[in-house]
Amino acid sequence: KAGVTQTPRYLIKTRGQQVTLSCSPISGHRSVSWYQQTPGQGLQFLFEYFSETQRNKGNFPGRFSGRQFSNSRSEMNVSTLELGDSALYLCASSSTGWATGELFFGEGSRLTVL
Amino acid sequence: AQTVTQSQPEMSVQEAETVTLSCTYDTSENNYYLFWYKQPPSRQMILVIRQEAYKQQNATENRFSVNFQKAAKSFSLKISDSQLGDTAMYFCASTITGANSKLTFGKGITLSVRP
Repeated sequence: KAGVTQTPRYLIKTRGQQVTLSCSPISGHRSVSWYQQTPGQGLQFLFEYFSETQRNKGNFPGRFSGRQFSNSRSEMNVSTLELGDSALYLCASSSTGWATGELFFGEGSRLTVL
Repeated sequence: AQTVTQSQPEMSVQEAETVTLSCTYDTSENNYYLFWYKQPPSRQMILVIRQEAYKQQNATENRFSVNFQKAAKSFSLKISDSQLGDTAMYFCASTITGANSKLTFGKGITLSVRP
């Protein structure tokens, strides 16, 4: 069974640009959640999607958005990039429920904003 | 508010020895779950162990076990017979269930296993 796949793995952007990251969950998993990981702030929850609906959202500005498609693949978008958005962005999928079950993580997308 | 605190930023242990990683949390909810996740240098995070708050029995997964002290809001991870492959960053996490589900991670602890 294929794991969680995130693309791209690495990318470099400049301030003011926007970026879209993609996450393909494990087959059959309907929940996809996104996280930002930085050395200073650690791991922070961005949002969670289940069956194309955003169920939960963390405390991030509106520049961070996401969506989920009917095949459960998810994308997150960050508009008007700032230097502080440089981070490792992780996505995770779950079959048993985001809050109670095991999360399966992808390897992440490393975003550098110059 | 829900908080998870890992006060030790890093630890080191000799191979084959036992090490305990500390975690405390704070929540006003009754229904919650606690987790330990491991992130090896390759970065893919994996679940180590999971504990339901309503269960008094401590969870165990092979060499990994937890000491869950609900009253003290403590959730430490014990790794027995440490192996080189245990070298990783370990995150303690807590989720609350219900209409306003939340997932909170601690800052993580870097564990190095020395040969």
